[in-house]
Amino acid sequence: DIQMTQSPSSLSASVGDRVTITCRASQGIGNYLAWFQQKPGKAPKSLIYSASSLQSGVPSKFSGSGSGTDFTLTISSLQPEDFATYYCQQYRTYPLTFGQGTRLEIK
Amino acid sequence: EVQLVESGGGLVQPGGSLRLSCAVSGFTLSDHYMDWVRQDPGKGLEWVGRIRNKVNGDTTEYAASVKGRFTISRDDSKNSLYLQMNSLKADDTAVYYCVRDQTLYGGTAYAFDIWGQGTMVTVSS
Repeated sequence: DIQMTQSPSSLSASVGDRVTITCRASQGIGNYLAWFQQKPGKAPKSLIYSASSLQSGVPSKFSGSGSGTDFTLTISSLQPEDFATYYCQQYRTYPLTFGQGTRLEIK
Repeated sequence: EVQLVESGGGLVQPGGSLRLSCAVSGFTLSDHYMDWVRQDPGKGLEWVGRIRNKVNGDTTEYAASVKGRFTISRDDSKNSLYLQMNSLKADDTAVYYCVRDQTLYGGTAYAFDIWGQGTMVTVSS
């Protein structure tokens, strides 16, 4: 199975900050990488697919990059609604696997 | 509006069975692969399995943790996806989400795009 490792596991930031979350795959996955946002008590929401393509309706403050084994999610100009848990996921091979999540908290 | 609404969750004893349903609307189910993903409350996400569309044989893939116990099926005429869960264990306790896939690169890759709100399954005596 492909292991997905996110760092950091948690992150404190202030409104207006720019943050970057990293996701590393245990083997190359091309750009078969997605990012999701989840708020407490809610279902995950799809943000990005193909490592850098925004899902419809997702604001451009979210951006993704990377290929192969190393990927990043960057969120610019943090707003209160952005504080949530973020997950990466590979869909290159079965079983599909997720990172453990990065909890983004307000400082 | 695209919607996925899960139902059928509840409390079941270890060794028991449960069937989850996912009613979809706002899109043509037969065009899409579909997945089930679960989440132990307070923990991370775990992919459960996928069903391809009819054009691709309605074939399925499963996580090792559920293979042989869980079965995914679909009825496109009823706009519904199902997850039959047998021989349930305490470790299967989770919120179960159905997820729609979007087709990428002309059908060589499939990524999640729309999630349902989830249904809770508790396996306990």
